[in-house]
Amino acid sequence: AQRVTQPEKLLSVFKGAPVELKCNYSYSGSPELFWYVQYSRQRLQLLLRHISRESIKGFTADLNKGETSFHLKKPFAQEEDSAMYYCALLMDTGRRALTFGSGTRLQVQP
Amino acid sequence: DGGITQSPKYLFRKEGQNVTLSCEQNLNHDAMYWYRQDPGQGLRLIYYSQIVNDFQKGDIAEGYSVSREKKESFPLTVTSAQKNPTAFYLCATQDRNYGYTFGSGTRLTVV
Repeated sequence: AQRVTQPEKLLSVFKGAPVELKCNYSYSGSPELFWYVQYSRQRLQLLLRHISRESIKGFTADLNKGETSFHLKKPFAQEEDSAMYYCALLMDTGRRALTFGSGTRLQVQP
Repeated sequence: DGGITQSPKYLFRKEGQNVTLSCEQNLNHDAMYWYRQDPGQGLRLIYYSQIVNDFQKGDIAEGYSVSREKKESFPLTVTSAQKNPTAFYLCATQDRNYGYTFGSGTRLTVV
């Protein structure tokens, strides 16, 4: 069965420091990977997806099929980046529902 | 405005009582989903519906039921068989590119 692992429950960095939120997955097929973000008192929303290869709010993520990872990175963290981040996987066959990781809370300190 | 409306925002349930959570959308999306969000466990799939009059069990369907009589609506009933119902419940729709739009959630507490 598919699985998404986010090993860090909490990541605390100082403003201006680089950020890397880790995401590893297990799935035998060819998945699509997403990052969702939930800011305080806001709805969960899509941050980026690997097929679009976009940079949103300075964040990027590269799918590494060899390491089965989809880590989220930002070179210089901002206080407004503080939020809960979820990595999610979509299988290429069968059920089209997203499978989510347990989430990582990012705290950016001034 | 367009989007997903979940109601109520807060819900209290007594032991042995069934309660129904509402999810309405005007995005014209075919697929709708119910997730349960618990601290440290992320989002777990309860039920989903790809099309009207059809729905499928997710990973934690026991103690829950759904219906999909209209495209716009996908209500979730938490039955008395659900032993640990206290949680935050999220409804989502899925667009044709498989991206999700989420509702604002319902926090259910057993009293």
